[in-house]
Amino acid sequence: GAVVSQHPSRVICKSGTSVKIECRSLDFQATTMFWYRQFPKQSLMLMATSNEGSKATYEQGVEKDKFLINHASLTLSTLTVTSAHPEDSSFYICSARLAGTGELFFGEGSRLTVL
Amino acid sequence: AQRVTQPEKLLSVFKGAPVELKCNYSYSGSPELFWYVQYSRQRLQLLLRHISRESIKGFTADLNKGETSFHLKKPFAQEEDSAMYYCALSWGGGNKLTFGTGTQLKVEL
Repeated sequence: GAVVSQHPSRVICKSGTSVKIECRSLDFQATTMFWYRQFPKQSLMLMATSNEGSKATYEQGVEKDKFLINHASLTLSTLTVTSAHPEDSSFYICSARLAGTGELFFGEGSRLTVL
Repeated sequence: AQRVTQPEKLLSVFKGAPVELKCNYSYSGSPELFWYVQYSRQRLQLLLRHISRESIKGFTADLNKGETSFHLKKPFAQEEDSAMYYCALSWGGGNKLTFGTGTQLKVEL
């Protein structure tokens, strides 16, 4: 089956620094990828839709200047958390849509801890 | 706005017992619903979708528009069914998913 990989799986950073998380579709091309955020014991919340070659579309309440998304190729989307603060600590998950079936495949997630 | 509700955070059943994981939704459009499963230390994966009307690993789910429900059922639970189950609603032209809060299923011996 299709595989989506995220890197890093865990990252710890200091408050005020920026962190980049990568999402790759390993064996298929994805024109659309999605970024979610999951707080402990809560559901996945859609943050934004990443579109290859164009600007990402953000869900209401998500700061686009805070969470920069770049989808420069058909197999890679990146999420950069800028000037991270402790409240940005969370589990970030990406998914990629497989053309044809439209099925979504999820990455393993990236746990961000901001000190 | 669309919403997915899973009322049970934890469901514990004995092996061989029937399982029903509840899911209710609210959506003004025509719903497309899914069940996703996350086994321990693994990523989220699709279990089944209502349009397929299929049975996966013995699980079935029927969309009931009158009750706005999409409950997941299995007649005989197995130990390997222990996992986190998320109900999800597709919207935005099929591009976006809204997830429920998830139900942890624990199958005991």
